[in-house]
Parts: sequence; C-alpha cells; structure tokens
Amino acid sequence: EAQVTQNPRYLITVTGKKLTVTCSQNMNHEYMSWYRQDPGLGLRQIYYSMNVEVTDKGDVPEGYKVSRKEKRNFPLILESPSPNQTSLYFCASSSLSSYNEQFFGPGTRLTVL
Amino acid sequence: DQQVKQNSPSLSVQEGRISILNCDYTNSMFDYFLWYKKYPAEGPTFLISISSIKDKNEDGRFTVFLNKSAKHLSLHIVPSQPGDSAVYFCAASAGAGSYQLTFGKGTKLSVIP
Repeated sequence: EAQVTQNPRYLITVTGKKLTVTCSQNMNHEYMSWYRQDPGLGLRQIYYSMNVEVTDKGDVPEGYKVSRKEKRNFPLILESPSPNQTSLYFCASSSLSSYNEQFFGPGTRLTVL
Repeated sequence: DQQVKQNSPSLSVQEGRISILNCDYTNSMFDYFLWYKKYPAEGPTFLISISSIKDKNEDGRFTVFLNKSAKHLSLHIVPSQPGDSAVYFCAASAGAGSYQLTFGKGTKLSVIP
C-alpha cells in the first residue's frame, strides 16, 4: 500500500529536550515536505526537499532542522523544542513532476511543556 | 501577509444541495491551484486542481472554477453528501521552479443529513 508514515503519532515533551519526528514514504517520491497546522493559521510549510541531500526552507523554518540522507526518509529535528512549537505536524511526499499533488502522512501531534 | 485566503471558517449545507467553498489569492505569480480535503485525525488528501490556463475543471461531483481577473476560485460540490463533511484547504503554487505550496486556513464543511 502506497503511504507516508510518521512516528510518533503523539508526543508530549518538555522544553529543551531534543526530539526527532520520522517520516518515511514507499512511493519512490523525490519531493518531501514538512508542514505544521495551527488553529486559525492553516498549513504552513517548514522545510522541503527535492531529492537526497537537497533541502530548502519553507515559510516557518526557525527552530527546526531536517536531513535527507535517503530518498524514502525525511526526519524533522527539533534541537531545543519550545512551547510555541506545540502543533500538529504533517509530512508529505510527491513526485517532482507533480509536486503539487502531495500525499500526506497521518500527522504527529506534538505538545511541548 | 496571507497570500491565500479562505474567509469562511465554516459552512453548513443540507444533504443533496450544492456546497460552494471560496478562496481568494493575492499573489499574481500563482498559476496552479488545488483543493485538499481533511478528515479529523487524518492527513489532507488531494481533491482537485486547476491550472491558470483554464477557468473550470470538473471531476464527478466536484468542480473548481477560477476567475483570474478577480483572483478568486471556488469549489462546488453537487450534490453534497454527509461524507463530504471535512475541512477543505485551498492551496496555490507559483509555477515552474517554485516547489512550494501556499495553503489557506481552511473551511470546515458540515453536510447535514
């Protein structure tokens, strides 16, 4: 089954404790992206990657890091989480030729205390 | 500055009637527009799209209309069904070389049986 998986689905952590949210896709997609969804703000792009070792900032990259060492994986790293990073996070992937039509993962709900 | 605007946070429609969801944009560089649908506890799923060279695209019960001069697009669902109840996001991209999607805040559609 074609899918984008994210882990964990739910995470409660404390300020300053480094965490990683994993994202994996099995569709051999070149393009991968991370978004956050906040009430009243919709979906905002954090980082995206057009292929292995190629990443670029989205609209709200501050406080986040990403890496793309393998085509299927695109982890999101919060080196020192803060309460304003409490949000619902989505990973997405697509082929580069149709990058607009992205397949989304189920989401990770993160709470930073 | 919000480049993609969905000014109606919510919409209620009777089953069998038409649902019309609206979206406005400000960036004249946008040339491809999409609608995504999101159920609770799931990631968004791609629904329908339209290129700026068209003014209408139809897929079954879903039709998207684009009015470039007004920088306005709308999604029509006819007839509306209870299973259409979801949050609908309008998104836009700025063409070749821009690998980013800009999303609106979403409109929550409730179809009443």
